[in-house]
Amino acid sequence: KAGVTQTPRYLIKTRGQQVTLSCSPISGHRSVSWYQQTPGQGLQFLFEYFSETQRNKGNFPGRFSGRQFSNSRSEMNVSTLELGDSALYLCASSPRTSYNEQFFGPGTRLTVL
Amino acid sequence: GQQVMQIPQYQHVQEGEDFTTYCNSSTTLSNIQWYKQRPGGHPVFLIQLVKSGEVKKQKRLTFQFGEAKKNSSLHITATQTTDVGTYFCAGPGGTASKLTFGTGTRLQVTL
Repeated sequence: KAGVTQTPRYLIKTRGQQVTLSCSPISGHRSVSWYQQTPGQGLQFLFEYFSETQRNKGNFPGRFSGRQFSNSRSEMNVSTLELGDSALYLCASSPRTSYNEQFFGPGTRLTVL
Repeated sequence: GQQVMQIPQYQHVQEGEDFTTYCNSSTTLSNIQWYKQRPGGHPVFLIQLVKSGEVKKQKRLTFQFGEAKKNSSLHITATQTTDVGTYFCAGPGGTASKLTFGTGTRLQVTL
C-alpha cells in the first residue's frame, strides 16, 4: 500500500499570504489528522477529519482551517500567514480515529518570510 | 488542558549503552503510543499499550504502561547508531478524543 503523501514538500510564503496544503491518506483510511511541528512547541494537533466532517479541533486560531473530500483526501488552509506559522505541517491517517495508530506523511515544510 | 511531558529532553549515549525515556501525563490515558522520528523524517508508529501495567517488547525495545495509566517508559538495551532520533509518547486523555504528543526525547548515539 502506498503511504501518506503530502504536497508540496516545501513552501516559502510571505506574511499576509495564504497557503493550501494537501494530503492523500493511505487507501481505506477515513481519518485524517493534521499536526504542526515546531522546535519550540513540539507536535501540536490541529484538527481531524473523518468522512468529510471535522471531528476534533486543536487550540489554533480560525486562520487555520481544513476540509476533507469524498475520496478522503484532505487539505488544510492557513490564511493571513504570520512569521510564527513557519513549521513542519504533518498529515496523518488512520483507519479509525485520531487517537489510534497514526500513519504520518513526510510533511510540508512551510517558511513564512 | 492535557499535558504530556517526557524526560530527559536529550540524551547522548555511546553505542552499547542502555537508554530510557519517561513519559508522564496530567490525565489518565486510555492508551499510550510511542513514535520515533529520525532526523529530517516524520514520526513513525512503534507500539500501542492499552492495559494498566502492560509491558511489551520489540527486540531491544521494552515499553511499559504505568498502573495508573498516567505514565509510560521506553527502554532501549544496547543502543545502536540506528536508534538515533526523537522518541515521542502520545495518548488521548480527558474528554478530548485526540492524541496529545509528549515533548519528546532526542537520542544521540555515538560509536
